[in-house]
Amino acid sequence: GAVVSQHPSRVICKSGTSVKIECRSLDFQATTMFWYRQFPKQSLMLMATSNEGSKATYEQGVEKDKFLINHASLTLSTLTVTSAHPEDSSFYICSAKAGDTEAFFGQGTRLTVV
Amino acid sequence: GQNIDQPTEMTATEGAIVQINCTYQTSGFNGLFWYQQHAGEAPTFLSYNVLDGLEEKGRFSSFLSRSKGYSYLLLKELQMKDSASYLCASMDSNYQLIWGAGTKLIIKP
Repeated sequence: GAVVSQHPSRVICKSGTSVKIECRSLDFQATTMFWYRQFPKQSLMLMATSNEGSKATYEQGVEKDKFLINHASLTLSTLTVTSAHPEDSSFYICSAKAGDTEAFFGQGTRLTVV
Repeated sequence: GQNIDQPTEMTATEGAIVQINCTYQTSGFNGLFWYQQHAGEAPTFLSYNVLDGLEEKGRFSSFLSRSKGYSYLLLKELQMKDSASYLCASMDSNYQLIWGAGTKLIIKP
């Protein structure tokens, strides 16, 4: 299957700093990328959908100024958690698809804010 | 409607192999997830299948048949620490996860 690489897999940052998570499609051009967050003891929650070259569409309740998404190319999308706080500690996972094909998931990023 | 079915509980012996089955019916399909959850802890991601076939990751393997709406998680060389609940989840056309109730796996020495 297609490969989606997410980096870093784990990151620890200090409260108030910003963290950038990268999501790359290694062997296909991803016209659409999705960003999810997993809350403790809950399912993955879709945060936003981004199409290459346009602004991301955020789900209700997700702060777009806090979770900055940039889908600048067909192989890279980034999620920046700005001014991170301990409550932002979570598991973030991206997925990518080309056109109407299946979406493939990255391995996820465990963010811990201390 | 949307429905995920998996057995409520299974028992297996340490060192053996166990297969946990999951059948799903969802509005659209964008992949099948398996999670492991130990009592009192958050679920942890085990596998994701979107194409038919078997994906192997060490002692754990996951299989998907989209035409049959069927998946299984295969655990080999069972260890006592594998005692946990195993959750099957299907992602629907809106990219939301539909969860099964979980299978409690009991490992006996």
